[in-house]
Amino acid sequence: DGGITQSPKYLFRKEGQNVTLSCEQNLNHDAMYWYRQDPGQGLRLIYYSQIVNDFQKGDIAEGYSVSREKKESFPLTVTSAQKNPTAFYLCASSIVARKYDQPQHFGDGTRLSIL
Amino acid sequence: SQQGEEDPQALSIQEGENATMNCSYKTSINNLQWYRQNSGRGLVHLILIRSNEREKHSGRLRVTLDTSKKSSSLLITASRAADTASYFCATVSTSYGKLTFGQGTILTVHP
Repeated sequence: DGGITQSPKYLFRKEGQNVTLSCEQNLNHDAMYWYRQDPGQGLRLIYYSQIVNDFQKGDIAEGYSVSREKKESFPLTVTSAQKNPTAFYLCASSIVARKYDQPQHFGDGTRLSIL
Repeated sequence: SQQGEEDPQALSIQEGENATMNCSYKTSINNLQWYRQNSGRGLVHLILIRSNEREKHSGRLRVTLDTSKKSSSLLITASRAADTASYFCATVSTSYGKLTFGQGTILTVHP
């Protein structure tokens, strides 16, 4: 079955540590997105990528980094510069970039906590 | 920034009743989308309504859009316990092509 796989489901970060969240899709979608969700809040866009080897900052990119070396993969690194990383992180994809009437398909998220 | 604001923040109803959730937004939009999120899971796309549409149906879902009032509503008819979830509206503005999500409505349907 096609879909988006995020791993791990739960992740713990120590002080000063960088951690990387995995996102893989087999939907053959061009565009991929990373969102952060805090308790009782909506989603805020961290980074997005419309094509391989290209990505753009979203609304809250500080303290995060991404790469898009393959169409299927869009990993997110939460760096030590992100002082409040505890949140639920969601990865999404959509069929065609720059077509704004496409629904986004989401993975089941990674919950990141600070030790 | 959060453009959409849902109302109410939480809604509790009995099975078989209808549930109505509202969404207001601030800027001109290309389209508005509704998503559902079960606890601890990702979001699932429910329905998309374009700025030139006024009403759309999908099964037990009915969405309306009033661009003059910058508002939308999602109606779930004959609700079931399995409809218990958070519901989010998300807008795509004409100037910012990405989705902007509201804070969501938590719907609880009691059996």
